[in-house]
Amino acid sequence: DAEITQSPRHKITETGRQVTLACHQTWNHNNMFWYRQDLGHGLRLIHYSYGVQDTNKGEVSDGYSVSRSNTEDLPLTLESAASSQTSVYFCASSTFRTSGRVGEQFFGPGTRLTVL
Amino acid sequence: TQLLEQSPQFLSIQEGENLTVYCNSSSVFSSLQWYRQEPGEGPVLLVTVVTGGEVKKLKRLTFQFGDARKDSSLHITAAQPGDTGLYLCAGSNAGGTSYGKLTFGQGTILTVHP
Repeated sequence: DAEITQSPRHKITETGRQVTLACHQTWNHNNMFWYRQDLGHGLRLIHYSYGVQDTNKGEVSDGYSVSRSNTEDLPLTLESAASSQTSVYFCASSTFRTSGRVGEQFFGPGTRLTVL
Repeated sequence: TQLLEQSPQFLSIQEGENLTVYCNSSSVFSSLQWYRQEPGEGPVLLVTVVTGGEVKKLKRLTFQFGDARKDSSLHITAAQPGDTGLYLCAGSNAGGTSYGKLTFGQGTILTVHP
């Protein structure tokens, strides 16, 4: 069965360190997204990609970067981790829209990141 | 920037009660989705509504898209403990630079007590 996985599931790091969160999907979806989830804020979009070599900034992109070298993976890098980036991070993927409708987003299980 | 205001943020009820969650915006959306999320997992899609005034039913859950496509509601009849979770509304505009992107509300944490 197709799936979307994230690793690690839990990560503790120190302020200033570079951290990379992995996201891998076997849906063969072109669209991939990274969100962070904090209480009271729902899901906020960090970065997204519509295909290989395409990346775009979301509403909370400062301090984060992504790269898309293949269809299956969209790793999220925190260049220099800050305590404000302590959060739960979700990766999602979706198909191109059909018949004018936005496709369902399929989410990974999340990565809980703590920056000390 | 399009915003979705979801209310209430927290809801604690007894089994068998009815409830409604609201999702409001000053912006028009081409479609509105509702997701449910359980602890330790990612959100899972419940329904997508695309037409103003559209009503969709999923067992005891009823979803409505406002006539002007600026608001939506989720109504649960005779809530059960298994309905406990975080409910998220998400709006999208299918065209232009917003293609494929979702704007999420803040979420409603529902707890149904036996």
